[in-house]
Amino acid sequence: NAGVTQTPKFQVLKTGQSMTLQCAQDMNHEYMSWYRQDPGMGLRLIHYSVGAGITDQGEVPNGYNVSRSTTEDFPLRLLSAAPSQTSVYFCASSGQGEHTFGSGTRLTVV
Amino acid sequence: QQPVQSPQAVILREGEDAVINCSSSKALYSVHWYRQKHGEAPVFLMILLKGGEQKGHEKISASFNEKKQQSSLYLTASQLSYSGTYFCGTLGASSNTGKLIFGQGTTLQVKP
Repeated sequence: NAGVTQTPKFQVLKTGQSMTLQCAQDMNHEYMSWYRQDPGMGLRLIHYSVGAGITDQGEVPNGYNVSRSTTEDFPLRLLSAAPSQTSVYFCASSGQGEHTFGSGTRLTVV
Repeated sequence: QQPVQSPQAVILREGEDAVINCSSSKALYSVHWYRQKHGEAPVFLMILLKGGEQKGHEKISASFNEKKQQSSLYLTASQLSYSGTYFCGTLGASSNTGKLIFGQGTTLQVKP
């Protein structure tokens, strides 16, 4: 039982490049979320999903896209990376309460 | 809107107690507490639902005052393993579980 799996663990991008951060969960959870963590800012919600085919914006959605075609997967897309998107990204899933977090992706945009 | 945590940082000696507060400007349905060790993912501690409930987890307990829209986390007789950053997460009355909004965190350092 892997829980929440995020890939890659580390990534360096050049400004303007695109990439997809992968997130998969094997707990059959309805809810999945993406957060970014920056020093002193806590965890800020980017996008979330309440089930396959349903997504919504969080606190800081600009510059990011998501989709949820299956219950298990919730990828986060950066269409044109900017230095301001340098951060640690966490994916989380939840049934009806407790959030289980993935191990994170450390992204640097140069 | 992000809940506000206080204090921002706490330094304790082993065996001392600490309280971390979390307050929101909007009506809350539930409050979550998580702990994050350096370089690791946040780990769930407990959830409190509206109703003034108090919960405990080892020597860590929490309360939730829905009228004041506040929650407090109590760490009793702290251990070295309690060091880390503590986050509260809040769900509003009309929010679903996916829209958990976190505070900025409180860093706790426990020294021998």
